[in-house]
Amino acid sequence: DADVTQTPRNRITKTGKRIMLECSQTKGHDRMYWYRQDPGLGLRLIYYSFDVKDINKGEISDGYSVSRQAQAKFSLSLESAIPNQTALYFCATSDRGSGANVLTFGAGSRLTVL
Amino acid sequence: ELKVEQNPLFLSMQEGKNYTIYCNYSTTSDRLYWYRQDPGKSLESLFVLLSNGAVKQEGRLMASLDTKARLSTLHITAAVHDLSATYFCAVYFGPRPNGGSQGNLIFGKGTKLSVKP
Repeated sequence: DADVTQTPRNRITKTGKRIMLECSQTKGHDRMYWYRQDPGLGLRLIYYSFDVKDINKGEISDGYSVSRQAQAKFSLSLESAIPNQTALYFCATSDRGSGANVLTFGAGSRLTVL
Repeated sequence: ELKVEQNPLFLSMQEGKNYTIYCNYSTTSDRLYWYRQDPGKSLESLFVLLSNGAVKQEGRLMASLDTKARLSTLHITAAVHDLSATYFCAVYFGPRPNGGSQGNLIFGKGTKLSVKP
């Protein structure tokens, strides 16, 4: 089983629908992140959480919300999806205690908003 | 403004050749990461560079960091087809993660490498 699991892997939805992307991890890491990848733009940080009670906005949080339900679970919601939110979304984790803070990424969730 | 710039963004090279990918960043940082992404796949960590002058090598890839020049390089030696992928550098700006305060990891746009026979 993957260390960082994202569901769904692919989703097609319509404008205005509410969408939730879920992420769970078995690495025991305290830190979790949601990134968005668009062709030619690299990865941009949407939200991150350093522990269950800590939620922080990233570069592009508008239109998104998150919930850290447990240390191992971090979900990303689009309350009312719009076409320019079509992208590949990655969840990542890291360990505060490791020093290097290397990110471990999930396999990605491809979202298409029509 | 926090910026990370990679160049080139696209690189087509022949097997057996050497080349370097550059990663420039806009302000002080002593923590830089290189990741690899295969088509349709996730990102995997290649190198972490944590101090000025740091050099890491793995197989045909070697990464280095010059914090004074705000520059990291990823050097490819005698390229092979299996190295075809997109390579991202990411730079950490801000308080150290272990301090618990917030920083920001900024990714470059990626360099898409294609190694041809």
